[in-house]
Amino acid sequence: DAKTTQPPSMDCAEGRAANLPCNHSTISGNEYVYWYRQIHSQGPQYIIHGLKNNETNEMASLIITEDRKSSTLILPHATLRDTAVYYCIVSAGGGADGLTFGKGTHLIIQP
Amino acid sequence: GAVVSQHPSRVICKSGTSVKIECRSLDFQATTMFWYRQFPKQSLMLMATSNEGSKATYEQGVEKDKFLINHASLTLSTLTVTSAHPEDSSFYICSASLLGAATEAFFGQGTRLTVV
Repeated sequence: DAKTTQPPSMDCAEGRAANLPCNHSTISGNEYVYWYRQIHSQGPQYIIHGLKNNETNEMASLIITEDRKSSTLILPHATLRDTAVYYCIVSAGGGADGLTFGKGTHLIIQP
Repeated sequence: GAVVSQHPSRVICKSGTSVKIECRSLDFQATTMFWYRQFPKQSLMLMATSNEGSKATYEQGVEKDKFLINHASLTLSTLTVTSAHPEDSSFYICSASLLGAATEAFFGQGTRLTVV
């Protein structure tokens, strides 16, 4: 699986949009971009994934650049419960493969 | 979404004893499950792939005789840490997914193992 690069930490004010960037310049054509988050002492939680089109679900939006070398996860109205470590992972098989986790971004939502 | 459950959520054991951790897919069948380990302030690291009805495959550096994996049914995988030592203390997490391409992984809530 290709490697990803994320900022180690970010702050965001409660109620504002949180924009989390991820670089994946070596992504292959058949690899998807997945985002998971891990709240302290819990198992990771799936957020969203995409191949090349932008995606939106009830939790977040995923914006993938046209060259697919980077992406941004957007939490539109961050709440205190969104404080977590967010992992960007590229994978061809998704959940069917063992995943390679990087260090992720520790997002802290400030009241 | 699908639910993966781990048991126990926390366990303390004495050095030299063995501990079994269960991972169940509650509402779907999983021919493959994955086991991860997470040390404090570190990321998850894949330990092994658990295959129903066949031997598990282990990542480089993971001792297969120490971390025994059994996947005897389509809804249950177990990880046994044998002859546990304090350095095995960690957060162990399993995952599974639905069949199909580009599906998401569903993770258990994790098991905190402390070896004293």
